Amino acid sequence: VIWMTQSPSLLSASTGDRVTISCRMSQGISSYLAWYQQKPGKAPELLIYAASTLQSGVPSRFSGSGSGTDFTLTISCLQSEDFATYYCQQYYSFPWTFGQGTKVEIK
Amino acid sequence: QITLKESGPTLVKPTQTLTLTCTFSGFSLSTSGVGVGWIRQPPGKALEWLALIYWDDDKRYSPSLKSRLTITKDTSKNQVVLTMTNMDPVDTATYYCARGHMGDFDYWGQGTLVTVSS
Repeated sequence: VIWMTQSPSLLSASTGDRVTISCRMSQGISSYLAWYQQKPGKAPELLIYAASTLQSGVPSRFSGSGSGTDFTLTISCLQSEDFATYYCQQYYSFPWTFGQGTKVEIK
Repeated sequence: QITLKESGPTLVKPTQTLTLTCTFSGFSLSTSGVGVGWIRQPPGKALEWLALIYWDDDKRYSPSLKSRLTITKDTSKNQVVLTMTNMDPVDTATYYCARGHMGDFDYWGQGTLVTVSS
């Protein structure tokens, strides 16, 4: 099983801030990583796959980077609609696993 | 337009078997590379991957739940069914089905909350 450490678990930020969320793997996964956004009461939505490929329709202020064991999701200029919980997911090997989530809240 | 929707009981008793159906449209589960997975989320907690079935009927399960899970597909009906035996209150969660893209999940159902209680 590949274990994931997502940090921070809670991030307080203001509109316009640049924020970064980290996801660290217990072993290398190449670029087999996705990022999701989830708002309360809603299903997760895919933001990024293959570590850095933006899903169609996702604003360009979202970006992903990394490979191997260390990955980052960056929101370049936080908007009001970006306050949500973010999850990483590895699909390098079964069982696929999700990170514990990062809640981005209004500072 | 791709859509998925989960259906099944909202309340089950401990020890009972849960059967959830994912009905989808806008894609075919007979197309090479396509999969449909199940993911759950206990209230206030993180996402947990449960199972996945591929277009070629390859099936994968979470090791911690493998003995309790069965995933099947009916390509003609555009449905995927997940059964989970011996339900326990800790299995209370929102259960989602989602389309497997390249390993990520690009389309999700709205989710269905299943409560396990006597």
